Order: sequence, then C-alpha cells, then structure tokens
Amino acid sequence: DAKTTQPTSMDCAEGRAANLPCNHSTISGNEYVYWYRQIHSQGPQYIIHGLKNNETNEMASLIITEDRKSSTLILPHATLRDTAVYYCIVSGTPGGSNYKLTFGKGTLLTVNP
Amino acid sequence: GAVVSQHPSWVICKSGTSVKIECRSLDFQATTMFWYRQFPKQSLMLMATSNEGSKATYEQGVEKDKFLINHASLTLSTLTVTSAHPEDSSFYICSARAGDWSSYNEQFFGPGTRLTVL
Repeated sequence: DAKTTQPTSMDCAEGRAANLPCNHSTISGNEYVYWYRQIHSQGPQYIIHGLKNNETNEMASLIITEDRKSSTLILPHATLRDTAVYYCIVSGTPGGSNYKLTFGKGTLLTVNP
Repeated sequence: GAVVSQHPSWVICKSGTSVKIECRSLDFQATTMFWYRQFPKQSLMLMATSNEGSKATYEQGVEKDKFLINHASLTLSTLTVTSAHPEDSSFYICSARAGDWSSYNEQFFGPGTRLTVL
C-alpha cells in the first residue's frame, strides 16, 4: 500500500470549515483514498473515499488533486463532536484482493468553541 | 446502517489465562473480518484478516498460535488471546466488510474491546 503523510495535529474553530490535507505521492492508478476518523477510545468511523473524482456525502467532501498525489478532507461546519484523529489511507479497490486498510498516525483535529 | 458489535467491551484477566473476544455483524453478512490492536497513543495495527470458512491470514510478526481467530459464520468472528500476559494488554478492534461490496464499500468497525492482563 502507498504511504500517506498527514500533519500531526490541527485546530479549527467551531462552525468553521476544517480542511485536513493528506499527501500520497506514491499512490498507484488503481488505489483509492479512504478517510476514517477515531474518537477517543472508540472504533474508527468511515467518512468517505474516492478514486480520482471529488466526492461529497452527508459528512464531508473529498478533494483529490488531478495528479492524485494529494487530497483534502473538508468538514464544512465543524462541531465539537468532530474532535478526533483523522486517518487518510490509500488502498486497493473495495472488495479487491489488495484491499487492506493500513492506519498511519493520522491528524488529531481539535475543534475549539 | 451497518453495525458491528464486540463483546465484551472490556475484560480484566490474570496472566496465563485465555480470553475470547467476539465480533458480530448485526445487519449484514460479513465475508471478511479484520482484527486490529491499538496500544495507548498509537495507531491501529492490523493483526489478521479472516474470511468466512477459511483460515485467517496473519500479518508479519503476529503469532497465530497465540491469537486464534475463528470465522465460522458470516456474522461472527472470534479472537482468542491464549495464555495472555501483561504485554497483551491493549485495545482490540474488529471490522467487517460485506460480501456484496458493491453496496458496502467500506469496512465497518466495532466499538473495541479493552483487555487488561494483570
């Protein structure tokens, strides 16, 4: 699996957009970008994933650069409950033989009142 | 939405005893389940991947005879920590992926089990 690089920590004001960057310069053509988050002492929660097009769901938006070497997860209106460690993961096609989530250290996002 | 449960949520045991942790997919059939371990202030580390009806595939460095994994049905996988020692104390998390991956692309994670070995 391709490796990812994320900032160790970020702060965001409540109600503002949180933009979490991720570098994955060694991503291969058939690998997806996945985002999960983990609130303290809980299991990870799926947020969103994408291949090359930008994606949006009820939780967040995922912006992937044209060269696919980096991406940004956007939480449009961060709340205190969004405080968590956010993991950017690159892996194979869901359901494929090379689909395996390898967690890095992630970014600790702290949403402040 | 898809829900994965784990039981127990926490367990304390004496050194040398064995502990079994259950992972269940409550509203979908999971052909593949994953087991992770997380030490304090560290990230999740994949221990093994189990497919229903076949032997688990362990990651490098994980002792298969110590961490026994059984995936006997499409909704249940168990992890047994045999002869547990204090260094096995950790947060164990399972995840499950549906067989119909076109509908469920993501892994669904359980809430985790906190194991403390005295």
